[in-house]
Amino acid sequence: NAGVTQTPKFQVLKTGQSMTLQCAQDMNHEYMSWYRQDPGMGLRLIHYSVGAGITDQGEVPNGYNVSRSTTEDFPLRLLSAAPSQTSVYFCASSPTGRSGANVLTFGAGSRLTVL
Amino acid sequence: SQKIEQNSEALNIQEGKTATLTCNYTNYSPAYLQWYRQDPGRGPVFLLLIRENEKEKRKERLKVTFDTTLKQSLFHITASQPADSATYLCALDVNTPLVFGKGTRLSVIA
Repeated sequence: NAGVTQTPKFQVLKTGQSMTLQCAQDMNHEYMSWYRQDPGMGLRLIHYSVGAGITDQGEVPNGYNVSRSTTEDFPLRLLSAAPSQTSVYFCASSPTGRSGANVLTFGAGSRLTVL
Repeated sequence: SQKIEQNSEALNIQEGKTATLTCNYTNYSPAYLQWYRQDPGRGPVFLLLIRENEKEKRKERLKVTFDTTLKQSLFHITASQPADSATYLCALDVNTPLVFGKGTRLSVIA
């Protein structure tokens, strides 16, 4: 079982460039989400999805886009990278987003540096 | 405003002692609370989930309490070992999505 797979593990971008962080899960989970983790700030939710075709914004969505065309994949797009988006990004999934059953499985993380 | 706070950024204890980590929250009414462990360079890993009507939950050397009156959860590691050194995160389950605290970095010193 691969669980939650994130690619790439490391990426360096220049300001203004765009890129996509990939996230795939093989557990048939309905719920998927993206967090960023910064020193002293903890995990902050960017976007989440409760099923294919459904996405919603989290706490810090500006500068990021997501789509959920399949159950397995939930890519995160940076439209025009800024130094403030330098962070470690985690994708997480759970069988369902319903309260009491929303136990998350996290990917290994993607470390992004924007110069 | 809604807040979730973990008692300290870092906690150092001697091997063999009991580590106690605190998670306090305001303006939430979670029905469930979760604890995760995160090692450096890795994603968080789920440890325990406790329901509001459960006072206590145990798993091996781990114990979690949940006091909805005090709006507090305590996370205990008994007979702590250097391998328990990690960052521990609490998360409130207030319907989708989870809300995480900033974490407490625990160091167990041999």
